Amino acid sequence: GAGVSQTPSNKVTEKGKYVELRCDPISGHTALYWYRQSLGQGPEFLIYFQGTGAADDSGLPNDRFFAVRPEGSVSTLKIQRTERGDSAVYLCASSSQGQGAEAFFGQGTRLTVV
Amino acid sequence: AQSVAQPEDQVNVAEGNPLTVKCTYSVSGNPYLFWYVQYPNRGLQFLLKYITGDNLVKGSYGFEAEFNKSQTSFHLKKPSALVSDSALYFCAVRPPSGSARQLTFGSGTQLTVLP
Repeated sequence: GAGVSQTPSNKVTEKGKYVELRCDPISGHTALYWYRQSLGQGPEFLIYFQGTGAADDSGLPNDRFFAVRPEGSVSTLKIQRTERGDSAVYLCASSSQGQGAEAFFGQGTRLTVV
Repeated sequence: AQSVAQPEDQVNVAEGNPLTVKCTYSVSGNPYLFWYVQYPNRGLQFLLKYITGDNLVKGSYGFEAEFNKSQTSFHLKKPSALVSDSALYFCAVRPPSGSARQLTFGSGTQLTVLP
């Protein structure tokens, strides 16, 4: 498809389990972003990739969160030892080069930790 | 660090009336400013952006926004609201240069257009 694709759309997991969330950006977009959105809040920045490298991971809340983008396209957000407080919608976005380029968002993955 | 404030959690307007959704920002230098809209259970959709040039920018679905540097504001406007405009609106800012590429979002404003 032409847009940013995120899978799964919904994920329910038990507290303490490991989860992986996948993002397939728009073809040719070098910049990729992960955000987290809680109910009634604006998206909160987690990590930004430029190509294969994480250019800014200052938004990751703790070392249970990790993300990769090994070939500069698809990215995976990994959460270890999930906690109930991790429940949120995880949004992925991509953009072309340039500080003024708008980011295009996927539909998000709704993560529920029970 | 940059920040965005959307002072109104909720805006109600009658269909056919003009609407304004307010946004103020704080960033060093000249900012890049964006508006996004979010419909229920959907991702964010880009509406418009200000980079440089004319202070009035036009975007999708008849929306426009006015950049005011002295007031550090970027209010979203539409001359005649539609019921289908009812959604959650987010203002966002990105610094003009440097390594920080991520958008910083406001807390959102729920717009309800009443028939």
